Amino acid sequence: GAVVSQHPSWVICKSGTSVKIECRSLDFQATTMFWYRQFPKQSLMLMATSNEGSKATYEQGVEKDKFLINHASLTLSTLTVTSAHPEDSSFYICSARDQLAGTIYFGEGSWLTVV
Amino acid sequence: RKEVEQDPGPFNVPEGATVAFNCTYSNSASQSFFWYRQDCRKEPKLLMSVYSSGNEDGRFTAQLNRASQYISLLIRDSKLSDSATYLCVVRETTDKLIFGTGTRLQVFP
Repeated sequence: GAVVSQHPSWVICKSGTSVKIECRSLDFQATTMFWYRQFPKQSLMLMATSNEGSKATYEQGVEKDKFLINHASLTLSTLTVTSAHPEDSSFYICSARDQLAGTIYFGEGSWLTVV
Repeated sequence: RKEVEQDPGPFNVPEGATVAFNCTYSNSASQSFFWYRQDCRKEPKLLMSVYSSGNEDGRFTAQLNRASQYISLLIRDSKLSDSATYLCVVRETTDKLIFGTGTRLQVFP
């Protein structure tokens, strides 16, 4: 079936550095991808909607200058956490919508730890 | 008020038990409804969609009441492998998925 690949699965970085997470749809095209964040024992919170070829739409309270989203192709969206701080440590998950079938698929998630 | 609210849990049940989860949503314009399962430190995986007519998939039965904005999931004959967090998910008109906080289920021998 359709697969959404997310990379890296785990990343540890120092405070102040930037980290890029990739979300790739492997066998379908996705004009829309979504980025979520999940803190321990909490649910997934939508951060932004990534639109191919245009600017991302951010949810209220999410800093667009801190969480840079690029959706340059129909199969790839990237999330860059800039100037990361320990409070950014979280589980980041992307999902992609198969534009033909309409189904939404999730990536495996990326664990970010900022030290 | 949260957009999607679920039973607080956790639910600790013996193998073979029947367990029911409830969920309410606030946006009456929501279009689609789902139950997802999330194992510890993993991504959520679709368990089943939920339809107004009710639908069943093996030991799992889901119900939707649009008038009450209420969704339920019934698990019969619980297995140890059913232990997970169950997420009630609502899809809005913009394709956004809104997740409930989840209900943790622990099935014990």
